[in-house]
This record gives sequence, structure tokens and C-alpha cells, in this order.
Amino acid sequence: ETGVTQTPRHLVMGMTNKKSLKCEQHLGHNAMYWYKQSAKKPLELMFVYSLEERVENNSVPSRFSPECPNSSHLFLHLHTLQPEDSALYLCASSPMAGASQETQYFGPGTRLLVL
Amino acid sequence: GESVGLHLPTLSVQEGDNSIINCAYSNSASDYFIWYKQESGKGPQFIIDIRSNMDKRQGQRVTVLLNKTVKHLSLQIAATQPGDSAVYFCAEGGTSYGKLTFGQGTILTVHP
Repeated sequence: ETGVTQTPRHLVMGMTNKKSLKCEQHLGHNAMYWYKQSAKKPLELMFVYSLEERVENNSVPSRFSPECPNSSHLFLHLHTLQPEDSALYLCASSPMAGASQETQYFGPGTRLLVL
Repeated sequence: GESVGLHLPTLSVQEGDNSIINCAYSNSASDYFIWYKQESGKGPQFIIDIRSNMDKRQGQRVTVLLNKTVKHLSLQIAATQPGDSAVYFCAEGGTSYGKLTFGQGTILTVHP
């Protein structure tokens, strides 16, 4: 395994629900990322955190709200989602986001279905 | 190779053959490239990377070739095995704060 864990692995929610996705990395990295992976589309970067500060918000709707309480944990809070938000949500980490050449290590993802 | 559209490129090979997966990247300023493998139900897994000051890098059974002139990247897998069946993504980076841009992926199927 990569040292990045995500929970839950599967989630079904209604459009009025509020839920949270959790990511934890055990690699001692300082940067964490949220990606969205939809069918037959490239991975889409959503958010980047470096040393617990958000450094990139890739024009993501406000119904997605990230939180990074420390460098090992990352959350994605979800509320009033739409069916088109159904996708695989992947968390990744890297040693430091400020470096321009860094490998990102991914978790297994949370498969989200919005009804 | 990579393409934009509704269908992922596919490559079908026999076990033991060599596989070549291609990727055309978009930004001539990118200076770091990675290949990832994604199996069904799993997240992308790092395979190999290469920096723009190199044109070839070898790993265990894998080789990445970089042609900056035509912005082309390839992944060669030697003696392909059924366990190599997966979706393979290239990613380019180095131009923006921690940002990697991913290709759409190629489906590799290895037949025993």
C-alpha cells in the first residue's frame, strides 16, 4: 500500500445530506491533495494543501469544503451535492507542494454516489 | 496514445510480449513527468518518473522515454504479465505549485 488511507471507501448520499470524506497519510509528507476522477475524464485537481494551508482551489463549487487540521489529515466536507458530483474522490500526498518536481502518492479513493 | 474524447485508448497484448503505451503532453514548459498505474478499485500507483534533462530512464521491467521535441512520452513494459492489466496515466508537472496535469489514460489488457 502507498501509506495513504481514505474512508469511507464507498458512500451513497442524497442531495440534502451532509457527509465528510477523510484522508490520512503515514508518510511524513507536508502536502496533501484532493482529486476528482469521473468516468472517462482525466483526474481533476480540486484542492492543494501545503503545511495545512490551502494553496490551490481549482474553481471548485462551494458545496465542497476542504479542511486540513494537520499535515497528516485531510477532510472533504460535502453538502447539497448534485448527481453529477458522483465520482471517485482521490486523496494524494507529496513531501512538499512547493517543489516543482514531486511524486504524489494516492490513496484508494472514495467512490461517491449522489442520488 | 492519449486522446480527448469519450473512449479511452486501449492496448491488448499477449503475456510475455512487450507493451508500449504512449502519451502526448501539452505544456512545453513541463519539466517533470510521471507514469501511474491504476487497477480496478484502487488509486493510481506510481510506476516511474523522468525529468526533462533526461530522455530515458529504466526501472524494473519498465522504461520511460521522453521526446521533448515532439512533446511525447512513452512507457515500455517488458515481458508483460496479466498483473500489468490496468489503466496507465501519464502526468506532467513542474510548472505550477505542486500541480500535476494528468492524461486521460490507456487501458492495457494482458491475455494469458
